[in-house]
Amino acid sequence: NAGVMQNPRHLVRRRGQEARLRCSPMKGHSHVYWYRQLPEEGLKFMVYLQKENIIDESGMPKERFSAEFPKEGPSILRIQQVVRGDSAAYFCASSPYGDEQFFGPGTRLTVL
Amino acid sequence: AQRVTQPEKLLSVFKGAPVELKCNYSYSGSPELFWYVQYSRQRLQLLLRHISRESIKGFTADLNKGETSFHLKKPFAQEEDSAMYYCALYGGSQGNLIFGKGTKLSVKP
Repeated sequence: NAGVMQNPRHLVRRRGQEARLRCSPMKGHSHVYWYRQLPEEGLKFMVYLQKENIIDESGMPKERFSAEFPKEGPSILRIQQVVRGDSAAYFCASSPYGDEQFFGPGTRLTVL
Repeated sequence: AQRVTQPEKLLSVFKGAPVELKCNYSYSGSPELFWYVQYSRQRLQLLLRHISRESIKGFTADLNKGETSFHLKKPFAQEEDSAMYYCALYGGSQGNLIFGKGTKLSVKP
């Protein structure tokens, strides 16, 4: 089992562009979580998804951010019209039962 | 409000010295707490969880409900323990983890 995969590992975008971050959970895991880590901060929960369903998006900014976890394929975190404040490390975690979470290596987004 | 506080950004000790990384939490129900570790250039990984009451790599952590603390301890630090340590609280029905800001442990030879 390769573990949770995230790509790209590094992503550079100019202000106003779109950023798409991908997360492939561990095999057999149907629960996916996205977290954001700003510099000097801990990880902050954004959204919790199960296959084809958003369970909890209470940590997601109301605008420009969206997430999906389709029946087939990876989970996608999408940020539209990025701004400098979106620069952060974005971590994905997966879980088989919604309990212990296994983390990916993260995607470091830099907005110029 | 649910919250995890790690008061120390950086903790520096010498090899062989005892180490204690502090974690305090705020949670209205019965908490489920974890310690995660991130070694240099590696992904975040679970170190231990309070319900298992086990010792991993010589580390232990005891939940103290009276003091709302879950401090991580090791009697004799090793250089390979140098890493970022995050205390986390399970958010319950929503499934998310609430993290502290982390403590960077540096073990000097």
